[in-house]
Amino acid sequence: GQSLEQPSEVTAVEGAIVQINCTYQTSGFYGLSWYQQHDGGAPTFLSYNALDGLEETGRFSSFLSRSDSYGYLLLQELQMKDSASYFCAVWGGGATNKLIFGTGTLLAVQP
Amino acid sequence: DTGVSQDPRHKITKRGQNVTFRCDPISEHNRLYWYRQTLGQGPEFLTYFQNEAQLEKSRLLSDRFSAERPKGSFSTLEIQRTEQGDSAMYLCASSPWTGTSYEQYFGPGTRLTVT
Repeated sequence: GQSLEQPSEVTAVEGAIVQINCTYQTSGFYGLSWYQQHDGGAPTFLSYNALDGLEETGRFSSFLSRSDSYGYLLLQELQMKDSASYFCAVWGGGATNKLIFGTGTLLAVQP
Repeated sequence: DTGVSQDPRHKITKRGQNVTFRCDPISEHNRLYWYRQTLGQGPEFLTYFQNEAQLEKSRLLSDRFSAERPKGSFSTLEIQRTEQGDSAMYLCASSPWTGTSYEQYFGPGTRLTVT
């Protein structure tokens, strides 16, 4: 089977740092993407890791360990507008271009 | 706005009726995907097109669901004999012909309510 596990909810305060973890078990793996979705909005792409290590994009960073089937999204200098759901998604590469999404983590940023 | 568009944004229908949704991808994108999302869950893959060819279809998709992309541009998703369990947000996404379809561009979705 295929599964991606994330914490269901995380709460943090403005200016803080928060880490959202993702563990996956899939039959095909090429890389791990992260998407943000505000309430009532469309998912938007944040980051992607194909190799082990950290990828940094502004305030957001994403990490992957292929040997541990584990990744995380790190959000720094939290802002109120970061309150949203965050999804990790496994990409199977060119053989199958679909994304397999995790259950999502609802991040609440408090003042 | 040159993003992915979907129509209608909301659809309320009675059980047993047929419904059809439309998706217009970003114009230069030749890959198009349909996902379904229920409350509190992540998007669930339904089907995928490369140009007009439907290359993959989820095993979870019943025979009541059919999708087309006749000219390799817009796509339609039809649900026949709707059931209450079909109530969900139906999302369309597109990506260009590169090795980067891990980055997909999503439309605003069509929210279906079956009464």
